[in-house]
Order: sequence, then C-alpha cells, then structure tokens
Amino acid sequence: AQSVTQPDIHITVSEGASLELRCNYSYGATPYLFWYVQSPGQGLQLLLKYFSGDTLVQGIKGFEAEFKRSQSSFNLRKPSVHWSDAAEYFCAVGSGTASKLTFGTGTRLQVTL
Amino acid sequence: EAGVTQSPTHLIKTRGQQATLRCSPISGHTSVYWYQQALGLGLQFLLWYDEGEERNRGNFPPRFSGRQFPNYSSELNVNALELEDSALYLCASSLVSLLGAGTDTQYFGPGTRLTVL
Repeated sequence: AQSVTQPDIHITVSEGASLELRCNYSYGATPYLFWYVQSPGQGLQLLLKYFSGDTLVQGIKGFEAEFKRSQSSFNLRKPSVHWSDAAEYFCAVGSGTASKLTFGTGTRLQVTL
Repeated sequence: EAGVTQSPTHLIKTRGQQATLRCSPISGHTSVYWYQQALGLGLQFLLWYDEGEERNRGNFPPRFSGRQFPNYSSELNVNALELEDSALYLCASSLVSLLGAGTDTQYFGPGTRLTVL
C-alpha cells in the first residue's frame, strides 16, 4: 500500500529565509508525486508534480522539489520565503493512472516578519 | 477557464439527517474524486467517478455514496449523519479517464464545510 510521511508537523521560518519541507513516500512502482498548498479554510492548490524525467521540478510561486528515488523522498524547497507562503503544505503520491491520491498529514508553515 | 466548483460552501445539519454536496469539474475533465478532510484525520480518499461509473471507494461506510451525471458533475450524499462526519469535503477533477495513463493531475475545488450538530 502506498503511504506518505511528512515528518514536520509545524515549521517556522523568517521571511526571506530558505525553506525545505520534507516528504518521504512508500510505493511499489514508479510514483507520481505532488505537492499541494492549502490556505486556511480553502481547497488545495497544486504547486508542482513529478511524473518522470528530470528529478528537479519547478512549480508555481518559486517552489521546486527534487525526487530522490534512493531516499524515497520528494522534498519541497524555496530559496526565499514570503509572508504570503504561510499555509499548510501537503505531499501526495498517486499511481499514475486515474485513481486516488494518498496524502501526507501536512506541514503547517508559519512565516515571521 | 473556470476551476472546480463546489456547492454549498457551508452546510449545517443535525444528526440523522442527509447531506447532499455538489461538484462541477473543470470543463473537459471526466474524472471526479471526493476527499474528506476531518480534523485530526487528514485528507482521506472517499470516492472516484469516471464516465458516470464509480471506479473506487475509500474505507468509508455505505452511507457515503454519490453519483456522476452525464455532464460529469457529481453529487456526494451522506445519509444518517453522525457528529464525526463534520469535515471539509473536497472535490477534485482530472482529465484522464480510465483508459488514459500518466498525467492524472487532480485539481481541487474550494470545498464544502459540513457541520453536523
């Protein structure tokens, strides 16, 4: 069964500092990996996705993520955080054909000014 | 282009009642998914519809059901509501149908917050 672990429940960073959110997955085949962001009381917005090819993927809002098969990881990074990035971030894994996504428990990001 | 829309935004019901939630996918998308986001339980997959058929369901009791209409919109019904059904219900849609492969990226709507009193 597929699973996703986001080990950090809550992270606080200063505005302008760099950010890395961790994600580890468990999946028997080639994973399809996603990062979504959720503002309070809102739906999920897709930040980026990895299906195949280049292991460093670029997303919206200046985010990027790197797929490392050997570590079963798909960490999200941003070189300089803005106060508007404060939200909850979810990593998810899919099977590649239309089917359910399995989500991690999320990481809440707080940005201090 | 319009995204996934859901209605109502908020829904308040009492125990034992039935709730109906609605979702309109992005134009051209044939697959619709429902997820429950309950406090402390995270995002859990509920149901997947594609081309009018239920393709998969998560670990939820039969009182959670739904359907997909010919225009690909979808309805989630929750019967005999219980207090623990209080949650944000998220609908997502994707372009790829059952016969497709690969890029089944799911796009989410804003959700319906169901409160059971």
